Amino acid sequence: QKEVEQNSGPLSVPEGAIASLNCTYSDRGSQSFFWYRQYSGKSPELIMFIYSNGDKEDGRFTAQLNKASQYVSLLIRDSQPSDSATYLCAVRGGYQKVTFGTGTKLQVIP
Amino acid sequence: DTGVSQNPRHKITKRGQNVTFRCDPISEHNRLYWYRQTLGQGPEFLTYFQNEAQLEKSRLLSDRFSAERPKGSFSTLEIQRTEQGDSAMYLCASSFSSEETQYFGPGTRLLVL
Repeated sequence: QKEVEQNSGPLSVPEGAIASLNCTYSDRGSQSFFWYRQYSGKSPELIMFIYSNGDKEDGRFTAQLNKASQYVSLLIRDSQPSDSATYLCAVRGGYQKVTFGTGTKLQVIP
Repeated sequence: DTGVSQNPRHKITKRGQNVTFRCDPISEHNRLYWYRQTLGQGPEFLTYFQNEAQLEKSRLLSDRFSAERPKGSFSTLEIQRTEQGDSAMYLCASSFSSEETQYFGPGTRLLVL
């Protein structure tokens, strides 16, 4: 079992729709959870992180964490073509090592 | 300070050669990380420094790989006797110890022929 699992996609959504990206992780001791966006040929950039169960909102982005189910999700409201990228889920355990998933490719269709 | 910088941005080498990459973190960031990313995969943790101390090292990092951060500022990653399987993007990131956010550099793309 991979430590952090994501559907590779591509996930295609029409412009203005809600994009829902999902991630599961295997280590129950994981403490911090991250969503990064990576455009083709570029380095990852942090969208947001979450520590506690529940929702965390930042602009058009909402991260959701359910530790009992070992599940993290990212919702992108009012999706724009500029949101087309690969979205990486990442998890930090008890130390500083951060483990990334393989990423989900999102395509927003104008 | 414009962010994390990495040099060179691209490196082509022949199998068996040694290569060294440099990372300059955001000034005053005391944590520095190295990752490797291959096509279609997420970044893979290699090693982590707090100031000049190397505190974690991936089991995946073979003896051919070594990283240093001698003065707690810039860091170098050396790969000895390169193999074709070492071809990847090598990413550096830095952060404050009090914060979770890691800021990534642009990466060094290595191609081993």
